[in-house]
Formats: sequence, structure tokens, C-alpha cells
Amino acid sequence: DGGITQSPKYLFRKEGQNVTLSCEQNLNHDAMYWYRQDPGQGLRLIYYSQIVNDFQKGDIAEGYSVSREKKESFPLTVTSAQKNPTAFYLCASSQTGAGANVLTFGAGSRLTVL
Amino acid sequence: KNQVEQSPQSLIILEGKNCTLQCNYTVSPFSNLRWYKQDTGRGPVSLTIMTFSENTKSNGRYTATLDADTKQSSLHITASQLSDSASYICVVTPLGFGNEKLTFGTGTRLTIIP
Repeated sequence: DGGITQSPKYLFRKEGQNVTLSCEQNLNHDAMYWYRQDPGQGLRLIYYSQIVNDFQKGDIAEGYSVSREKKESFPLTVTSAQKNPTAFYLCASSQTGAGANVLTFGAGSRLTVL
Repeated sequence: KNQVEQSPQSLIILEGKNCTLQCNYTVSPFSNLRWYKQDTGRGPVSLTIMTFSENTKSNGRYTATLDADTKQSSLHITASQLSDSASYICVVTPLGFGNEKLTFGTGTRLTIIP
């Protein structure tokens, strides 16, 4: 079945550590996205990529980094520079081009800073 | 600033009853409005997408309506089931942009009790 796989589902980090969240899709989608979800807030865009080897900052990119070396993969690194990293992280993908392109989301990764 | 506001924040109804969730937005002009269902601890799943020219869109027991003049949308759930317990998120796309500029509402948390 086609879909998006995020791992790990749960992750604990000590302050000062970098962590990397994995996102893999087999939908053959060109675009991939990382969102952050906090209680009582709408999803906020961290980074997105519309083509391999290219990515753009979203609304809250500070303290995060990404890479897009393969079409299928878009890992997110939460660096020690992110001051409040505890959150639920969602990866999504979609086609690109004209019209409404449905976002397909992964199951999410919950990061907790100890 | 573009905003999407949803009401109520939370709702509890008996199994088998109908309910209506509201979405008011200030995004203008816009190209499409989407409703997503998000189970606890999971990623959102698309329910409906309506372009600015559409008034209604159904997906099984879910019916979304759109009034572009008043900038309001509603999601009506008929004959609710326990599996409808989830958060429902309204999302608006500004005209001329794609998924990189979505504005997400904070969601309505729906609980169905037997």
C-alpha cells in the first residue's frame, strides 16, 4: 500500500542533543513537507521541498534542518538551537502543479525533551 | 493576517446523533477549503476539498458546505458513530498558492459517547 512512514513514533531527547526524524513516502509525490503540531494551535510549516536537492523554509524553520537527497525521503533534524522542541511532528507529501493537491500525512512522531 | 477559526473547540454527542462543526476564515481570495479528520496520535486524513465555486461536497456521512460570501464553511456529520471521535481541522489555501501556504484551523475535538 502506498503511504508515508514516519519513525520513530516516540522519541526522547536530552537538552543539547540533535535528533533526526525519518520520513519516507512511496506515493511518487514530488513535494514533501514537515509540520509541527502543538496543543491548541494549528499545524505550522517547518520546511518543504518540491523537488530533489531543493527545499524552502516554512514559517518556523529556526532550529531545524532538512535534506532531500532522494525523492522518497525527507528527514528532519531538530537541533539544539530549537528552544522548545517538545511537540508532535507530522510529515506530508503531495503532487505539485495546478489545482488542489491533497496532502497525505504520515502517522507522526512525538518528540519529548527531558 | 490570514486566519481560520473553528467552533466549537470541543463537542460531545450521543452515538447516532447528527452534528455540525463550523469554520470561519479571513483568507481572501482563496482557491480551496479542506476538511481533515485527525484521530488522536495520528496524522490528519482528508475528508473533502471544495474550490471557491463549490457550495457542497459529500464523503459518505460527512457533508461540507461553503459560503464564500460570508467566508464560512461547515462540516455536517450524519448518524454519528464511535469511530467519528476525532479532531476535525479546517484548512484554507490562498489563491495563487499551493500547499506551502495553507492556513490551518485549531480544530474541533469531537467525542461520540455510546
